[in-house]
Amino acid sequence: AQSVTQLGSHVSVSEGALVLLRCNYSSSVPPYLFWYVQYPNQGLQLLLKYTTGATLVKGINGFEAEFKKSETSFHLTKPSAHMSDAAEYFCAAFSSGTYKYIFGTGTRLKVLA
Amino acid sequence: EAQVTQNPRYLITVTGKKLTVTCSQNMNHEYMSWYRQDPGLGLRQIYYSMNVEVTDKGDVPEGYKVSRKEKRNFPLILESPSPNQTSLYFCASSPQSGGPEPLHFGNGTRLTVT
Repeated sequence: AQSVTQLGSHVSVSEGALVLLRCNYSSSVPPYLFWYVQYPNQGLQLLLKYTTGATLVKGINGFEAEFKKSETSFHLTKPSAHMSDAAEYFCAAFSSGTYKYIFGTGTRLKVLA
Repeated sequence: EAQVTQNPRYLITVTGKKLTVTCSQNMNHEYMSWYRQDPGLGLRQIYYSMNVEVTDKGDVPEGYKVSRKEKRNFPLILESPSPNQTSLYFCASSPQSGGPEPLHFGNGTRLTVT
């Protein structure tokens, strides 16, 4: 069965430091991949998506992610963390075979002043 | 404004008292879905609908019902709520049944069943 794994339920970084949130998927066929952000008391908002084509995907708020088929990974990065980046981040995969979106368990990002 | 609207935002109820959480989208999306979010478990799909009158079970459908009589509305029904259904619920929609368009989420409904 297809699954999405996010390593680290909590990640802390200093303001201005690199943000790296890890996501691995399991699938015999590369799925379509997404990163969402959830701020307190809000729904999930799309950060970026990978469908086909360029493997380095740029999203909103300076985030980007790289699809690596050989590693079945789709890690999210941002060169310099800002206090406003503190939120929970979810990696998700869509399987065209099952028409389902599958979410990871989320990573809560804390940004330290 | 394009949006997914859920109501209510907060709901406290007692075991066994039927309730409905409404969800409406104004984007003419075919695909709609319900998720529950629990700490450490991420989002788990309850039910989804690929179009009007077409619904299917997700990963955790027990204790829930849905209907899709109109394209814009996808209510979630708990016929006899139990405490283990205390959770944060999200409705979401997407423009294509076949994907891979991203989901648009409502702001959530926090349900407490005592």
